[in-house]
Amino acid sequence: GAVVSQHPSRVICKSGTSVKIECRSLDFQATTMFWYRQFPKKSLMLMATSNEGSKATYEQGVEKDKFLINHASLTLSTLTVTSAHPEDSSFYICSALPRGRDTQYFGPGTRLTVL
Amino acid sequence: DQQVKQNSPSLSVQEGRISILNCDYTNSMFDYFLWYKKYPAEGPTFLISISSIKDKNEDGRFTVFLNKSAKHLSLHIVPSQPGDSAVYFCAASEAGGTSYGKLTFGQGTILTVHP
Repeated sequence: GAVVSQHPSRVICKSGTSVKIECRSLDFQATTMFWYRQFPKKSLMLMATSNEGSKATYEQGVEKDKFLINHASLTLSTLTVTSAHPEDSSFYICSALPRGRDTQYFGPGTRLTVL
Repeated sequence: DQQVKQNSPSLSVQEGRISILNCDYTNSMFDYFLWYKKYPAEGPTFLISISSIKDKNEDGRFTVFLNKSAKHLSLHIVPSQPGDSAVYFCAASEAGGTSYGKLTFGQGTILTVHP
C-alpha cells in the first residue's frame, strides 16, 4: 500500500510554455501533499505544502505565481510550472501523507527539461 | 544553512559486511527522523524512522540509532547486499513526532555494495 504516482515521468518543453505535473495517491487518501525539487547531485528541497481544499503554503524563495499548486481532491495534487525557463529544468517529486499516518510516501518524480 | 548534513558523499562496502551511514543535524527542534533510499530518476523510498523519544529502532537488516545530545543519527545495514546500492537520504521533521510537516533532507550518501 501507500503508492504515489506522478505523470508525466518526463517532459521536454519550450521556454515560455506551461507544464502541468500530476501527483496521485493510488490506494489512500492524502490530506497533505508536498512538492519537492531536486537539482543534480543535490538534496531534495521542499517547494510547497498542499492541503486539500485550501491554498498551498510555499517555502521561502519559491514563487507562488510561477509554481501553481492545486490540491483538487484527497488523491490528486497538481503542480503547474508557468512560463517555464531553462533554469526551471529539474527533477520534481511529490509526496503524500496518508490520513492518520506519520510517514510521507514519495512519487517516482518528473524530469522537466526546458529548452 | 544546511540543517541536516550527511558529510560522507559516498560509502563503499563489501557484501555481507555492515554499512554505516551517518547524519548530523543542527536544529534542536527536530523530533522525528527518517531514512529514505533513492535510485536515479526515481522518488525516495521510505526505509525506517525514529522518534526523538527513542534512541534505537530496528526493522530487519536496518537499524537507526539516534544520539540526541550529539544531534547525530546513523543507519546500520547488516548484512549489506548488492541490491542496497543506492543513494540514502536522512530527513528530519519538527512536527510533533510525525512527518506531517516539512521534511528537511540531507545531501545524500551514495552506498555501493560490492559482491
